[in-house]
Amino acid sequence: NAGVTQTPKFRVLKTGQSMTLLCAQDMNHEYMYWYRQDPGMGLRLIHYSVGEGTTAKGEVPDGYNVSRLKKQNFLLGLESAAPSQTSVYFCASSFLTTGVPSPYFGPGTRLTVT
Amino acid sequence: AQSVTQLDSQVPVFEEAPVELRCNYSSSVSVYLFWYVQYPNQGLQLLLKYLSGSTLVKGINGFEAEFNKSQTSFHLRKPSVHISDTAEYFCAVSERKDSSYKLIFGSGTRLLVRP
Repeated sequence: NAGVTQTPKFRVLKTGQSMTLLCAQDMNHEYMYWYRQDPGMGLRLIHYSVGEGTTAKGEVPDGYNVSRLKKQNFLLGLESAAPSQTSVYFCASSFLTTGVPSPYFGPGTRLTVT
Repeated sequence: AQSVTQLDSQVPVFEEAPVELRCNYSSSVSVYLFWYVQYPNQGLQLLLKYLSGSTLVKGINGFEAEFNKSQTSFHLRKPSVHISDTAEYFCAVSERKDSSYKLIFGSGTRLLVRP
């Protein structure tokens, strides 16, 4: 099992450019999440999905869109990148254990917007 | 909404000394708690979790945590730390909303183990 993988690992964008981050998991997990990590702020939830074809907003969804067309993939899109979106992005996935998920995290994508 | 507070942003400690990393959460009827560790330039790895049952939870790498409902705390402890334990530690609480669950994280505590 590869677990949770993220593509790309690093990216530099200019303000206004768009890009898509790909998250893939091979554990047949129902839940998938996108977090961003900024110094001193821990991880903040951007969007999440409880199953194929469903998505929901997290704490900081503005400026991002997501799609989950296949159970194993969860895409995070930035339509018009801004310097405030410079961050490390983590994807996670989980199944339900006694009704509560225990997420597994990917290695992260470091994004810089200039 | 749930919230998690990690009061210590950094905890320096000497090798082989004991350590406690503090975590407090906002009160809720049902609460599920987690500790994750992040080594430099890596993703997060689950250390331990409390879902129900015994309030003392043992995790990997010799860490343990105690759930204290009256004090709304879930502090992480290790009796003797190693240099390799230097990392950032995140406490998290599971929040249920609209029939789904999501993790809410604290701001993290950087454990710095010195020789």
